[in-house]
Amino acid sequence: DADVTQTPRNRITKTGKRIMLECSQTKGHDRMYWYRQDPGLGLRLIYYSFDVKDINKGEISDGYSVSRQAQAKFSLSLESAIPNQTALYFCATSVQGVTEQFFGPGTRLTVL
Amino acid sequence: RKEVEQDPGPFNVPEGATVAFNCTYSNSASQSFFWYRQDCRKEPKLLMSVYSSGNEDGRFTAQLNRASQYISLLIRDSKLSDSATYLCVVPSWSNSGYSTLTFGKGTMLLVSP
Repeated sequence: DADVTQTPRNRITKTGKRIMLECSQTKGHDRMYWYRQDPGLGLRLIYYSFDVKDINKGEISDGYSVSRQAQAKFSLSLESAIPNQTALYFCATSVQGVTEQFFGPGTRLTVL
Repeated sequence: RKEVEQDPGPFNVPEGATVAFNCTYSNSASQSFFWYRQDCRKEPKLLMSVYSSGNEDGRFTAQLNRASQYISLLIRDSKLSDSATYLCVVPSWSNSGYSTLTFGKGTMLLVSP
């Protein structure tokens, strides 16, 4: 089945470390997204990309960077992790237009 | 008005009950909407799309009231397996048109035996 996968699924790291979360998709979708989810705050958009080399800031991009080197891959980096970046991170994909997004299984990140 | 607002719940209902959730949105340019379901610690998954004529899928009915800017989700004959958080989702718009989706914080439903 065409799918959205995320690696790693769980990660514990220390303050100040550089972390990269990977997202891959076999759906052939052009658009990809990174969200974080915190209890009581819902899903918040970090960055999104409508095509290879296209990068757009979301609601909460500070402290994060992304790379879209291929249609199927969208990576999220935390250059210097801090404890308030502890959250559940989701990658999602979609086709063009006002349409549903398909989510990966999530990465649970803990920053100590 | 916030972009998307939902009652966080939880809504506690017995099996077989009918339950309804409302969601209000602020951007009147929106014409299609979505309800997603999210199980605990899992990814959100599309439950239904909502268009101007509404939508029905088995026990689930979604309706749009454009004048009052709210979307509803009705679940009939609740099952234990319906226990989850239901996310209301609306399109976000920028000066150049549609940008992405905005997710509500969700309404938690707990169905008990």
